[in-house]
Amino acid sequence: AQKITQTQPGMFVQEKEAVTLDCTYDTSDPSYGLFWYKQPSSGEMIFLIYQGSYDQQNATEGRYSLNFQKARKSANLVISASQLGDSAMYFCAMREGRAGGTSYGKLTFGQGTILTVHP
Amino acid sequence: GAVVSQHPSWVICKSGTSVKIECRSLDFQATTMFWYRQFPKQSLMLMATSNEGSKATYEQGVEKDKFLINHASLTLSTLTVTSAHPEDSSFYICSPIAPEVTDTQYFGPGTRLTVL
Repeated sequence: AQKITQTQPGMFVQEKEAVTLDCTYDTSDPSYGLFWYKQPSSGEMIFLIYQGSYDQQNATEGRYSLNFQKARKSANLVISASQLGDSAMYFCAMREGRAGGTSYGKLTFGQGTILTVHP
Repeated sequence: GAVVSQHPSWVICKSGTSVKIECRSLDFQATTMFWYRQFPKQSLMLMATSNEGSKATYEQGVEKDKFLINHASLTLSTLTVTSAHPEDSSFYICSPIAPEVTDTQYFGPGTRLTVL
């Protein structure tokens, strides 16, 4: 079974509008972290936002917020006031386990969503 | 934020040659290094995990004799693609881990390998 699922291969949004990118996950580990990355055409992975499984509040970083619904195992990324520069591939990823393990930090990635922002 | 460098950023080589990719964590000590591979229009897939001073652990389907990983210091890890073939053409990305940092994970800028 897929551990991370992004069901939207592509999304379109008008400049200055908000957009939600979906991500669902599957794990039996009570300790995990969820990440969102932006990958422009250059290929670099740009860290956007992080949500820990024990965090009580949804994470926010500037125009990015993470809609964390633990019971539904979803961690959707919300981008507010979209900009042309937001056009890129977006990946959701999960890290399982606690710090200190030999493979701590291993990320499992979703399939990605290509976001296109129209002027 | 942390700075991670990879060298080279891109390389074109002939089939049968070996290519070495370096990954450096410039402002923190990485006890663990992950190497990922990304084929065009696909997601990142973990290739191997290395801990400083130990042998690397490879994911299923990744040939350890083909993809040699050295993690001799806390700031440098290398991936050598031996006897490269066109099917090895891909985007290779490293991710060094500092155990004290839990709320973010950094990646190198990646190396695009093209094997002719």
